[in-house]
Amino acid sequence: SAVISQKPSRDICQRGTSLTIQCQVDSQVTMMFWYRQQPGQSLTLIATANQGSEATYESGFVIDKFPISRPNLTFSTLTVSNMSPEDSSIYLCSVEGGAEQYFGPGTRLTVT
Amino acid sequence: GQQVMQIPQYQHVQEGEDFTTYCNSSTTLSNIQWYKQRPGGHPVFLIQLVKSGEVKKQKRLTFQFGEAKKNSSLHITATQTTDVGTYFCAAAGTALIFGKGTTLSVSS
Repeated sequence: SAVISQKPSRDICQRGTSLTIQCQVDSQVTMMFWYRQQPGQSLTLIATANQGSEATYESGFVIDKFPISRPNLTFSTLTVSNMSPEDSSIYLCSVEGGAEQYFGPGTRLTVT
Repeated sequence: GQQVMQIPQYQHVQEGEDFTTYCNSSTTLSNIQWYKQRPGGHPVFLIQLVKSGEVKKQKRLTFQFGEAKKNSSLHITATQTTDVGTYFCAAAGTALIFGKGTTLSVSS
């Protein structure tokens, strides 16, 4: 199993600002995933982050808006840039562990 | 891209009643996973199905994978209040593609 922590757990931000979310895993993993879950909705994959290479973004998500860092095998950050109220959501990081994926507790972001 | 459709979106049952959620894909799936998300929590892995026609049981939960590997179901027998939450199916590939989920509420 993998234990994942995220910081911050929640934040309220003003539009136009940026927020960086940190994800720490208790073991080394090859791929880390970032998801967004809007209120009452399903999880949508933002990007896949491999250590030592650029993240791979899903359709509808771009690096300028959601830059990702992956400096080592246990850590990643996701930045939500130039935020608008539409970015209000829960952001979750996830890692693979055998047949399953483990999710962090999420970061609840509210943009005013 | 790959999509999985899940129905129903919501289901309310009386405690003790059964519950089923269905997941369908237009393409053949290599495997499918099921997750449960409690209110305010994060998704937690329940099971993975890989083989055509596979059936797996976990206590009161029964998971099925269709013969054509395009559909799956989760059935809960005699629901309890602890079963409340949203149940997601997810197509497993490089990353997970989630269905929209079925939110289950149970009244005692």
